[in-house]
Amino acid sequence: AQKVTQAQTEISVVEKEDVTLDCVYETRDTTYYLFWYKQPPSGELVFLIRRNSFDEQNEISGRYSWNFQKSTSSFNFTITASQVVDSAVYFCALSETQGGSEKLVFGKGTKLTVNP
Amino acid sequence: DTEVTQTPKHLVMGMTNKKSLKCEQHMGHRAMYWYKQKAKKPPELMFVYSYEKLSINESVPSRFSPECPNSSLLNLHLHALQPEDSALYLCASSPHGQGVFKNIQYFGAGTRLSVL
Repeated sequence: AQKVTQAQTEISVVEKEDVTLDCVYETRDTTYYLFWYKQPPSGELVFLIRRNSFDEQNEISGRYSWNFQKSTSSFNFTITASQVVDSAVYFCALSETQGGSEKLVFGKGTKLTVNP
Repeated sequence: DTEVTQTPKHLVMGMTNKKSLKCEQHMGHRAMYWYKQKAKKPPELMFVYSYEKLSINESVPSRFSPECPNSSLLNLHLHALQPEDSALYLCASSPHGQGVFKNIQYFGAGTRLSVL
């Protein structure tokens, strides 16, 4: 069965610090997708990135970067020079196909607090 | 535009009430989802509709009844709920089928439901 583990329940940093959120996954599929979502206090889940299993290139988007390593089944997320607005719960998720539809298997989330 | 609109934003209901949650998207997405999220937990999938047909029901109690009247609209009818059903209910949609963005789920802001 698919499984996503986010071992860090809560992280607290001071503004401008770099922070890495860890994500480890388990799957028997050879083709799969990994996702990161951000959930601010308002409640809406905001899509950040999708990575497929054949693309191990790291990606950078502004202050955000993602490190995908199939060898260790990890898909870690780094925020550089964190800001107060980055405070949110971050979920890592893995796609799973069921009944011809795709569903997301979420990790338990990491709550990030960035203090001024 | 990646907007999924959910109404109402907040709902308080008694255990004998009947109410409905509404979700709307105009992105041409053909897959729509209902999730339930309890405090400090990840979203839990309830239902998936694919091309207006129910494709996944995650063994949800019959007091929750989904409906997909057309490709843009998804309803969740609530009847005889219990206090433990109080949660944030999230709707999402995705393009489904083929395409670069086919399995990216875009979420609404949710309905915060309290059952008294």
